[in-house]
Amino acid sequence: DAKTTQPPSMDCAEGRAANLPCNHSTISGNEYVYWYRQIHSQGPQYIIHGLKNNETNEMASLIITEDRKSSTLILPHATLRDTAVYYCIVRVANRAGNMLTFGGGTRLMVKP
Amino acid sequence: NAGVTQTPKFQVLKTGQSMTLQCAQDMNHEYMSWYRQDPGMGLRLIHYSVGAGITDQGEVPNGYNVSRSTTEDFPLRLLSAAPSQTSVYFCASSLDRESYYGYTFGSGTRLTVV
Repeated sequence: DAKTTQPPSMDCAEGRAANLPCNHSTISGNEYVYWYRQIHSQGPQYIIHGLKNNETNEMASLIITEDRKSSTLILPHATLRDTAVYYCIVRVANRAGNMLTFGGGTRLMVKP
Repeated sequence: NAGVTQTPKFQVLKTGQSMTLQCAQDMNHEYMSWYRQDPGMGLRLIHYSVGAGITDQGEVPNGYNVSRSTTEDFPLRLLSAAPSQTSVYFCASSLDRESYYGYTFGSGTRLTVV
């Protein structure tokens, strides 16, 4: 699986959009970009994933650049409950037997 | 609520003791797996199952056993606990082995071996 690079921490004001970047310059053509988050002391939570098109669901939007070497997770109206560590993962779907390689992630702090 | 349920939430064991961590899901997911997360680190896959009666080893299987007699349950057994097994254990499930919709994780079991 391709490696990812994320900033270690970010702040965001409550109610504003949180834009979390991820670089994955070695991504292969069949690798998806997945985003998970982990709120303190809880299990990781799946957020969204995409291959090359932008994706949106009830939690977030995922913007993938045309060359697929980077992506941005957007939380449109961040709340205090969105404070968590956000992980960008690049892999070939959720293949059985492959571990989920969570790197350092980005610690997002949403402030009132 | 539907989801992945892990019990117990906390456990302290003495070196050499055995125990079973329970994991149950009510979403009819075929794929289930166990991870451990050590402080400041990512998740490492211990064992996984692609369906009832089928299990396989992950990255760090030594010292752990699993079985999958039903679709719903996937218990993790520690055979003889060691301090190196002090960790947070997460159970995860997905609709199938090639699920494109991500894993659903339980809330974790925090295990301390003294």
